[in-house]
Amino acid sequence: DARVTQTPRHKVTEMGQEVTMRCQPILGHNTVFWYRQTMMQGLELLAYFRNRAPLDDSGMPKDRFSAEMPDATLATLKIQPSEPRDSAVYFCASGFRRLGQSSYNSPLHFGNGTRLTVT
Amino acid sequence: RKEVEQDPGPFNVPEGATVAFNCTYSNSASQSFFWYRQDCRKEPKLLMSVYSSGNEDGRFTAQLNRASQYISLLIRDSKLSDSATYLCVVNWAGYGKLTFGQGTILTVHP
Repeated sequence: DARVTQTPRHKVTEMGQEVTMRCQPILGHNTVFWYRQTMMQGLELLAYFRNRAPLDDSGMPKDRFSAEMPDATLATLKIQPSEPRDSAVYFCASGFRRLGQSSYNSPLHFGNGTRLTVT
Repeated sequence: RKEVEQDPGPFNVPEGATVAFNCTYSNSASQSFFWYRQDCRKEPKLLMSVYSSGNEDGRFTAQLNRASQYISLLIRDSKLSDSATYLCVVNWAGYGKLTFGQGTILTVHP
């Protein structure tokens, strides 16, 4: 079974440190999403890429967060500097969407998530 | 107002019960609708898509009412294994952004 792979699974860091989370989308998928999940806010969309181009990062605090797709097999989410309020589970998800179609041709597949704790 | 709102829950039902979850969305341009399931400390997984005419998958029935901007999920003959959080998901047409509701927690007890 093809899977979205996220690393690391868990990360504990001190406030002020840089955190980098990585995601390998499913081969052939052309859309990649980064979501953050907390008890209070649920799943919040942070950034969205299609064909490696960022389409929406309005949900991301621009001063400390950055998301990139250096190539089709890797998406990264960086936090610098990290703060305790960034503690959450960060999910990457990938899917396939044909240009001009409003729906997805395949289900959105989520990775296992990175559980981030900032102390 | 949140873009996607769900019943707050939690729902606690006995095995064999029928339970229904509701979800409303604010963007009338929304085109695609889904229900995802998330088990504790796991990633969300697609349960079923929701089609305009309504659709059924075994014990699960999904309904869409575009006029009221309302989606529902009905689970019949609940099983212990149905215990999870159910997430309503909406895709805004032409944009591809998938917005998730807060989720409704379901616990099925013996």
